[in-house]
Amino acid sequence: QSALTQPPSASGSPGQSVTISCTGTSSDVGGYNFVSWYQQHPGKAPKLIIYEVSKRPSGVPDRFSGSKSGNTASLTVSGLQAEDEADYYCASFGGSRVFGGGTKLTVL
Amino acid sequence: EVQVVDSGGGLVQPGGSLRLSCAASGFTFGRFWMDWVRQAPGKGLEWVANIKEDGTEEYYADSVKGRFTISRDNAKNSLYLQMNSLRADDTAVYFCARNRGWFSLDFWGQGTLVTVSS
Repeated sequence: QSALTQPPSASGSPGQSVTISCTGTSSDVGGYNFVSWYQQHPGKAPKLIIYEVSKRPSGVPDRFSGSKSGNTASLTVSGLQAEDEADYYCASFGGSRVFGGGTKLTVL
Repeated sequence: EVQVVDSGGGLVQPGGSLRLSCAASGFTFGRFWMDWVRQAPGKGLEWVANIKEDGTEEYYADSVKGRFTISRDNAKNSLYLQMNSLRADDTAVYFCARNRGWFSLDFWGQGTLVTVSS
């Protein structure tokens, strides 16, 4: 049950866009359109922000968008705001349920 | 309003046991898979186990298979995680979460801390 691969960190200035990648295999990310993304602020529970690759739950701003190409999924945060500074995790349905290692997003 | 509230964490010695609980409200509990996810201090998320709507199927991470048991009582809108033979590397905050389908976890508990130490 290997974790999906995410960059450990990402950063951007307010108003800019940043993209976080999530690489898996044909057994998880590449094999199913069931990638989800979670935002976690320090000391808080994770929050679902993207499911089924690109769908947003009610209440999640459209600044958050998701996509997938082959075995790699991506989360894009547009118009960065200070409150977007958090840890972001991808996850994928597959042979096993796996999360990415997490990416710490810093708003400069 | 959908709510999941986890509880039952604490300090336990290596080799000991602990039972976590998760109380759900605001939705039809028996219509959703439920999952447990944990997070070791300063580390990322790790999926632990999940259980089908009617309790007839259970799946576990290799790291807990044979030691942990997930269960549910739909009449009580409750999810449980029985943890046996606990080890130091089981130390983590444990979250219960509603699974809206295909491993999309849309509502999470606040987490309950389990510390395994002598």
